[in-house]
Amino acid sequence: GQQVMQIPQYQHVQEGEDFTTYCNSSTTLSNIQWYKQRPGGHPVFLIQLVKSGEVKKQKRLTFQFGEAKKNSSLHITATQTTDVGTYFCAGRGAGNMLTFGGGTRLMVKP
Amino acid sequence: DTEVTQTPKHLVMGMTNKKSLKCEQHMGHRAMYWYKQKAKKPPELMFVYSYEKLSINESVPSRFSPECPNSSLLNLHLHALQPEDSALYLCASSPGGQVLRRQPQHFGDGTRLSIL
Repeated sequence: GQQVMQIPQYQHVQEGEDFTTYCNSSTTLSNIQWYKQRPGGHPVFLIQLVKSGEVKKQKRLTFQFGEAKKNSSLHITATQTTDVGTYFCAGRGAGNMLTFGGGTRLMVKP
Repeated sequence: DTEVTQTPKHLVMGMTNKKSLKCEQHMGHRAMYWYKQKAKKPPELMFVYSYEKLSINESVPSRFSPECPNSSLLNLHLHALQPEDSALYLCASSPGGQVLRRQPQHFGDGTRLSIL
């Protein structure tokens, strides 16, 4: 079945630095979703990308969908301590359902 | 605050016990999901209900038995669990209809389950 791979697994940044996580699929994705899970919390939906080359922004967060619809990225500008958590991408997996990538755990040093 | 409510928040049970996890949503969603999440891992899909009918069972052992009594409620009945079943169990919902994978999912806070 299709896998959605995510890198890096972990990222430590100093507050104010930028952060990027990448999501890759071996096959074309019809859509990709991004979720954030705070430590001890539950996944919270951030955004969905559907169109080739799509770019969406939410304040300091920028989401991109690749032209071939096989990869996506989430970029955070000037990280804050409130950005701490694990960021998951999710795309179509086996059974035609949403499958979560392994996640990138972001830690921010104040 | 989450619009998907799960109870209990924590559960400790022995391997011979029978217990149930409950999930409730009042957003009018017609698709509901059970996920299992181990520490530092992504959520893994277990079951999907669409319009109160089981549509997906991801080869989950029979010691986990889902039930959807109505469009707002989702239960997960547990029996004879193993220590490796200890995990966070998350319930989620989405509007329902076709192409579920294109629908944002709303998650509950989860039930943290420990099997002794």
